[in-house]
Amino acid sequence: EIVLTQSPATLSLSPGERATLSCRASQSVNNYLAWFQQKPGQAPRLLIYDASNRATGIPARFSGSGSGTDFTLTISSLEPEDFAVYYCQQRYMWPPITFGQGTRLEIK
Amino acid sequence: EVQVVESGGGLVQPGGSLRLSCAASGFTFSNYGMAWVRQAPGKGLEWVSAVFNSDDSTHYADSVKGRFTISRDNSMHTLYLQMNSLRAEDTALYYCAKGGIGADMIFDYWGQGTLVTVSS
Repeated sequence: EIVLTQSPATLSLSPGERATLSCRASQSVNNYLAWFQQKPGQAPRLLIYDASNRATGIPARFSGSGSGTDFTLTISSLEPEDFAVYYCQQRYMWPPITFGQGTRLEIK
Repeated sequence: EVQVVESGGGLVQPGGSLRLSCAASGFTFSNYGMAWVRQAPGKGLEWVSAVFNSDDSTHYADSVKGRFTISRDNSMHTLYLQMNSLRAEDTALYYCAKGGIGADMIFDYWGQGTLVTVSS
């Protein structure tokens, strides 16, 4: 099973700042990595797929990078609605499809 | 507009059974893989099961293998999850997620979830 480790667990930033979230895989997932955003009481929302492709309707301030085992989600300038929990997910080697444990992005 | 809507959750005793449904619309259901993902209260996301577009290939997390069965009715645009021998640790919000073409599992649309509570 491929384990995804996200860091940090919690990130405290202010609106307008840049956010950098990390996801590390226990073995290579090639570029088959996605990022999701989840707000309280809502379903997860796909942000990025295949490491760097923005999903439909996702603002350009969200970007993804990386390949192999190390991946990054960057939010260039935080908007108030960006404060949420973010998960990475791999589909390279499955079953099982695995998710990271999440990074909580909170307002400082 | 793509939509997936779950139903069938509820309160069930340990050892009991429940069948979840996911009604899909806004896309050619028979072309896409589908999956169930769950989230225990206050916890992260856990993949449960997936089925390819043609229903001839199903996959399960070890935690549910032998107890849960995923299926789909392409004529009814509906995904199912039959859950037997339920345990307290199965308590979670169960999401239906649309995958990609065929066997790809890019979860690009999710329902709002249906809550399953296993308790005596």
